[in-house]
Amino acid sequence: KAGVTQTPRYLIKTRGQQVTLSCSPISGHRSVSWYQQTPGQGLQFLFEYFSETQRNKGNFPGRFSGRQFSNSRSEMNVSTLELGDSALYLCASSLEFQGVRETQYFGPGTRLLVL
Amino acid sequence: AQKITQTQPGMFVQEKEAVTLDCTYDTSDPSYGLFWYKQPSSGEMIFLIYQGSYDQQNATEGRYSLNFQQARKSANLVISASQLGDSAMYFCAMREGGRDDKIIFGKGTRLHILP
Repeated sequence: KAGVTQTPRYLIKTRGQQVTLSCSPISGHRSVSWYQQTPGQGLQFLFEYFSETQRNKGNFPGRFSGRQFSNSRSEMNVSTLELGDSALYLCASSLEFQGVRETQYFGPGTRLLVL
Repeated sequence: AQKITQTQPGMFVQEKEAVTLDCTYDTSDPSYGLFWYKQPSSGEMIFLIYQGSYDQQNATEGRYSLNFQQARKSANLVISASQLGDSAMYFCAMREGGRDDKIIFGKGTRLHILP
């Protein structure tokens, strides 16, 4: 079974631009979560989607948004990029069975550099 | 208050020795799950082991075992017979019961295996 895939793997943008990252979960997983990882702040939760609905959200500004499609693939968007948005963005998917969430499995991440 | 504490920023261990990575957690929820992830330099988060708060026995997965001491709120990872490929960043994480699917991560421990 294929793992979580993320595209693109690397991205360079300039301040003020916007970016869209994509995540395809493991087949059958309907929950997709996004995390930001930086050397200073570590791993921080961005948001979680389940069945096309945002179910949970971390403490990030409104410039960070996401969505999930009917096939469970998810995208996150960051508008008006700032230098501090440079980070590794990790996507994770999990199986939810009868309301019980299983382990989150992570993708390889997208490294975003904002110049 | 920090919910996941990893007190060892870095560790150096001789190959083939066993190593224990410390993790303490804080929660008032009786239902929670504890995870360990490995992150090599490539960036991907690799799931290693899971322990549920109601699990009677300590979790084991191959060379990985989790020393779960609920009264002390500790969930140390033990790697037996360490290998050079074990060199990586290791994160302890917790998911509390309830609707939230976000996982809270510790700051991590960088493990170096010496030949």
